[in-house]
Amino acid sequence: GQNIDQPTEMTATEGAIVQINCTYQTSGFNGLFWYQQHAGEAPTFLSYNVLDGLEEKGRFSSFLSRSKGYSYLLLKELQMKDSASYLCAVSFDRGSTLGRLYFGRGTQLTVWP
Amino acid sequence: ETGVTQSPTHLIKTRGQQVTLRCSSQSGHNTVSWYQQALGQGPQFIFQYYREEENGRGNFPPRFSGLQFPNYSSELNVNALELDDSALYLCASSLDRRDRLNTEAFFGQGTRLTVV
Repeated sequence: GQNIDQPTEMTATEGAIVQINCTYQTSGFNGLFWYQQHAGEAPTFLSYNVLDGLEEKGRFSSFLSRSKGYSYLLLKELQMKDSASYLCAVSFDRGSTLGRLYFGRGTQLTVWP
Repeated sequence: ETGVTQSPTHLIKTRGQQVTLRCSSQSGHNTVSWYQQALGQGPQFIFQYYREEENGRGNFPPRFSGLQFPNYSSELNVNALELDDSALYLCASSLDRRDRLNTEAFFGQGTRLTVV
């Protein structure tokens, strides 16, 4: 729902940089989250953007453009352990259902040696 | 380690049966949301509880119901199980302060439900 779109799969090599894009409908936007999910495990929080710009957190950075309905997650110095699904999740509500997240299908990233 | 635990981790049920899944939230978190994640898909919002009352519902039928208790635990109940209910069920707890923007939701490890 809410037209959250991200690529299904990406591959990269160890030590490289990869950018995972996410687009969403802009109406009612209230915040965007990126989660990492390894197979069979719970999603773990990576980043949160609500204002335009870049948020940097170690090897991971996330960018948001509210006017364009666009975000990306940038992973630097890739390691084998970064192989996982990366979920883009958007919050559209502020009133009725606080914290409800709409998820994209996830981008399965495979890091090769 | 998110401080959110779910039980059981795996479960097999027969079509038509009923199931109860449990979640223990982080202490002090007043909000719990439940999600269904089918294989290869992103999590889909089922419903949310805030201070023990349902606070919004996704596109799921009434046979999906829930409870939230004062001790930061919650349940997801599914009646009349169907084969398509086979999925990973995730709970996520958060602290909703109502006067601030959304805060981080902490996910449990999930319950893998298989309906045969």
